[in-house]
Amino acid sequence: GQNIDQPTEMTATEGAIVQINCTYQTSGFNGLFWYQQHAGEAPTFLSYNVLDGLEEKGRFSSFLSRSKGYSYLLLKELQMKDSASYLCAVRGASGGSYIPTFGRGTSLIVHP
Amino acid sequence: EAGVAQSPRYKIIEKRQSVAFWCNPISGHATLYWYQQILGQGPKLLIQFQNNGVVDDSQLPKDRFSAERLKGVDSTLKIQPAKLEDSAVYLCASSLGVRGPLNEQFFGPGTRLTVL
Repeated sequence: GQNIDQPTEMTATEGAIVQINCTYQTSGFNGLFWYQQHAGEAPTFLSYNVLDGLEEKGRFSSFLSRSKGYSYLLLKELQMKDSASYLCAVRGASGGSYIPTFGRGTSLIVHP
Repeated sequence: EAGVAQSPRYKIIEKRQSVAFWCNPISGHATLYWYQQILGQGPKLLIQFQNNGVVDDSQLPKDRFSAERLKGVDSTLKIQPAKLEDSAVYLCASSLGVRGPLNEQFFGPGTRLTVL
């Protein structure tokens, strides 16, 4: 089975930097995804890591350590529109294929 | 490129009634997923299809939930009979495949189900 843990809620100030952590346990690891979900909307893809290290994409970066079962999403120059839930999802092996498992999400509140 | 389409967007039913949701994935996407998302939680995978075959349905309550993907394109998810705890948003997603370098999922707008 797969288990994913991330903080329930975080708050940060506009313009600041915030790091959202995710720890996981899985068999047959085949990639970790971060999604953003605004209230009442569907999740949208942010980033993907399958090898150890940092992936940077504009204001967002994601880090992975497979040996530690650990990832983080780093958001720089926070804007009010970044207030959303951030979902960590791990793709792991199951019955000859790969299936995704989502964490419960971290609700990020950005205040002025 | 058209996104993932779902209908209806909202549905209100009474417990013990039946309901069906429809999903049309992005053209060419072989993998289709149905998720249940309860308020304040992450999406829970109910079933995953690869073309018209089931990859995983281990978390699908098979006594009341069923899903099919005829011809490997559109899919329907049915609940019969519904319970109060089925109130949730049902998300459909699709991806090109299941393995390989990326294959991120694209989500539809979801169907918000309320069971009274």
